[in-house]
Amino acid sequence: DIQMTQSPSTLSASVGDRVTITCRASESISSWLAWYQQKPGKAPKLLISKASSLESGVPSRFRGSGSGTEFTLSISSLQPDDFATYYCQQYNPYSRTFGQGTKVEI
Amino acid sequence: QVQLQESGPGLVKPSETLSLTCSVSGGSISGYYWSWIRQPPGKGLEWIGYMYYSGRTKYNPSLKSRVIISINTSKNQVSLKLSSVTAADTAVYYCAREMGYYDSSDYYDPDAFDIWGQGTMVSVSS
Repeated sequence: DIQMTQSPSTLSASVGDRVTITCRASESISSWLAWYQQKPGKAPKLLISKASSLESGVPSRFRGSGSGTEFTLSISSLQPDDFATYYCQQYNPYSRTFGQGTKVEI
Repeated sequence: QVQLQESGPGLVKPSETLSLTCSVSGGSISGYYWSWIRQPPGKGLEWIGYMYYSGRTKYNPSLKSRVIISINTSKNQVSLKLSSVTAADTAVYYCAREMGYYDSSDYYDPDAFDIWGQGTMVSVSS
C-alpha cells in the first residue's frame, strides 16, 4: 500500500507567518491528493482536492501544489482560525491513505 | 445539503463485533463511494474501507479480515461491522462521502472526501 509521510509533525508559528507543510507519497499518485483541516473534536474539513484545487469557501491564503510523489500545502498569512491539524490523503484508484498529520500551533 | 450521521453503541466488549450505521440525509446514497474512517484518541486518521452504492467494496488490508461494509439504499444508510475488536479499535469512527464519479467510458475518477459525519466515539472495554 502507498504510504504518506508528512513533515513536520508539529509546526510552531505566529499570526501572519507563511507556513508550508510537505507530504510525500511512497510511489507516484499523480495528482490524487487532498488536504484536510481538523480542529479538536471536529470532523476533518476538505480544503484542497486534486493536489491544487481549492474547495469552495476556503480562503485563498491556502494553496496546494505538487504532483507525483511530493506535495505541499502553503498558508500565505496564518490567521488565528488556521491553528489546527492538517492531513494529506492520497486517493489513487486502488487505495486510500492519510498522512500522519501536522499540528500547526502558536 | 447532504448530511451524514453516525450512530451505534459507544461501548463494545473485547472480542465482540462493533456495528455502526451512517444515515445519509438531504441527498441520495446512489452514485457515490461511501467510506468509513477512524481516529484513535490523540492520533491520526485511518481509512477503513469503502463501498459503492451498487455493491463494490474495498478495505484497508490491515483490517480486511475483520471488516464488512454494507449499504441499504432503501434506507439511505451505510453500515460498518468490525469483528473481534480489541482496545486498539477504540476510536472516533467517521463516515464520509467520496466525490468521485464514473465517466461515460465507465472509468472511475476518484476524488477526496467532501462530506463527513460528525463522528461517533466507540470504546472497547470489558
